[in-house]
Amino acid sequence: AQSVAQPEDQVNVAEGNPLTVKCTYSVSGNPYLFWYVQYPNRGLQFLLKYITGDNLVKGSYGFEAEFNKSQTSFHLKKPSALVSDSALYFCAVRVINSGNTPLVFGKGTRLSVIA
Amino acid sequence: SQTIHQWPATLVQPVGSPLSLECTVEGTSNPNLYWYRQAAGRGLQLLFYSVGIGQISSEVPQNLSASRPQDRQFILSSKKLLLSDSGFYLCAWMIPLGPQETQYFGPGTRLLVL
Repeated sequence: AQSVAQPEDQVNVAEGNPLTVKCTYSVSGNPYLFWYVQYPNRGLQFLLKYITGDNLVKGSYGFEAEFNKSQTSFHLKKPSALVSDSALYFCAVRVINSGNTPLVFGKGTRLSVIA
Repeated sequence: SQTIHQWPATLVQPVGSPLSLECTVEGTSNPNLYWYRQAAGRGLQLLFYSVGIGQISSEVPQNLSASRPQDRQFILSSKKLLLSDSGFYLCAWMIPLGPQETQYFGPGTRLLVL
């Protein structure tokens, strides 16, 4: 069975500081990994994904994530946080070549960037 | 480019009334379609998904149902709403088995059952 853990319900960071939102996963096979962001009363917006290749993935709005197979992690990072980054962030996983299996999402981490 | 629409955007319904939420996708063919519910701005609960017309997989047994009458149309229904049906309903699409395999979400429908 596939699962995703986002161990922090809430992350607070000062504007201009680096941010990290943590994600670990468990799959039986090679994973596709995703990050989504959700602003209030909006749908989820795709940020970035890891499929294969370079372990460091760059995405929208200056975000990046690093795939670490040995630690089964895919943490989201940004060098300098903005107040506008405040939102709910979801990590998700699928097994490669798993056909029609839906994404499995973590419970979400609320990021608050303080000016 | 592909777009996904959901309507209505907001809905207030009395307990016991019926429900119909609609999701349509433009600019793609044969997508997988998904219905999620999000309670209290937190985690996503997968309700239904469909891999083709008339094909529905139910993830959580409850008083909701889904139908896919056309390739790019996905409908979420209920005959009698419960208070616990309140939430934010999200539709998503994905093209499987391709290099993308990314789910894209619609804007959502906020349902309040009173």
